[in-house]
Amino acid sequence: AQSVTQLGSHVSVSEGALVLLRCNYSSSVPPYLFWYVQYPNQGLQLLLKYTSAATLVKGINGFEAEFKKSETSFHLTKPSAHMSDAAEYFCAVSRAGGFKTIFGAGTRLFVKA
Amino acid sequence: DAGITQSPRHKVTETGTPVTLRCHQTENHRYMYWYRQDPGHGLRLIHYSYGVKDTDKGEVSDGYSVSRSKTEDFLLTLESATSSQTSVYFCAISELSGGSNYEQYFGPGTRLTVT
Repeated sequence: AQSVTQLGSHVSVSEGALVLLRCNYSSSVPPYLFWYVQYPNQGLQLLLKYTSAATLVKGINGFEAEFKKSETSFHLTKPSAHMSDAAEYFCAVSRAGGFKTIFGAGTRLFVKA
Repeated sequence: DAGITQSPRHKVTETGTPVTLRCHQTENHRYMYWYRQDPGHGLRLIHYSYGVKDTDKGEVSDGYSVSRSKTEDFLLTLESATSSQTSVYFCAISELSGGSNYEQYFGPGTRLTVT
């Protein structure tokens, strides 16, 4: 069985500050991990993905995430927040060759001017 | 952007009435999914399809049925809508990518209110 836990339903940062959104996963098989972003009144779009290649994954808009097997984590970071980063972020897990994905509950990011 | 449309985008209906939501794709992807999004729950899978006429249940399928008669269309039906089905519904599609993963592409969503 697979599951995802996102720590913190809301995160607030100041513009220019570090963004850190936490995700821990549980999986009985090697996982594939994803981060999606959802802007208001839109569907989700893929931010980045880990599929067992490099453990540090770079995505769009300056975001990156690091797969840490020992910590079962896949935290999302960005060095400097922009107002345009305000959105909801979802961590998700699947397995190699698996077409079903399990999503976390989401973390809403607020960026203060 | 992946070519995925959902209709209607907004709907208000009364308890006990049937409702059908449509998802249409122009990407020729094999897999299609219906999710519902509710605060605090993230996205939960209702039903999915792995080909024409091939569908299966997800984790929250009670009260919902689906059909896929063409590759491009995936319909979600609420046979008798209840207030607990008030939600935002998302369709997604996927296809094998990079030899082993199925990253999903999402439609814009349908906001359904059952009064």
